[in-house]
Amino acid sequence: AQSVTQLDSQVPVFEEAPVELRCNYSSSVSVYLFWYVQYPNQGLQLLLKYLSGSTLVKGINGFEAEFNKSQTSFHLRKPSVHISDTAEYFCAVTGFGNEKLTFGTGTRLTIIP
Amino acid sequence: DTGVSQNPRHKITKRGQNVTFRCDPISEHNRLYWYRQTLGQGPEFLTYFQNEAQLEKSRLLSDRFSAERPKGSFSTLEIQRTEQGDSAMYLCASSLAGTSQYFGPGTRLLVL
Repeated sequence: AQSVTQLDSQVPVFEEAPVELRCNYSSSVSVYLFWYVQYPNQGLQLLLKYLSGSTLVKGINGFEAEFNKSQTSFHLRKPSVHISDTAEYFCAVTGFGNEKLTFGTGTRLTIIP
Repeated sequence: DTGVSQNPRHKITKRGQNVTFRCDPISEHNRLYWYRQTLGQGPEFLTYFQNEAQLEKSRLLSDRFSAERPKGSFSTLEIQRTEQGDSAMYLCASSLAGTSQYFGPGTRLLVL
C-alpha cells in the first residue's frame, strides 16, 4: 500500500515570489508520482508526473518537481508565481502494477498581490 | 477529443433517494476510474474498469454503491438509499493502460 503526506495545508506566497509545495510518500514498492491542480469547482488537471529516468521533471504552467528516492519526497516548485496559480494542489502516488492513485490531503496555494 | 465529461455537475437529493451519475471517458481510453472527494480531503479511490470489466473495488464502496460500464465506453455510478455521509464530489478519470489518469469536472452530490 502507498500513502502520501502533504505537510502544508495552506501556503500563502507573494506574487512573483518562488514557491515550494512539499510531498512525502511511503511505499513498499517502486512508485510513480504525480502532481495535480484543482481550481475551484473543477476536476483535477495533471501538472506533471515522474515515471522513471531523470529525477527532475518539468510540467505545465512553469512548474517542476524533483523525485528524491532516499528522502521519499517529490516536492513541487515554481520560480515565480502568478495570481492564476491560486488553487489546490494534490500530490499522488501509485505503485508498479497498481492502478489506483493515492492522494495527499492537498495544499491550498494562495497568491498575494 | 473533448476530455472526460460527467453528468450531472450538481445533484441535490433527499436522504433515502437513489441517484445515478454518468461518466463519458476520453474516447480511446480503455480504463475508467471513480473517486470520491470530501471537503478538505484528497480524492479517494472507489473502483476501476478495464473495458467493461470491473477489476477493483475499494472497501469504501458499500453495498449501496454500484458501478457499471456495460459496453466499455461510458460508466454509471449509482447510489441507493442515499445518506448524508454520501455528500461529496464524485470524480471520474480515464486512461490508456499504463498511462496518466485524466479527470472529469466531477459531480457534486448534496444529500439533505
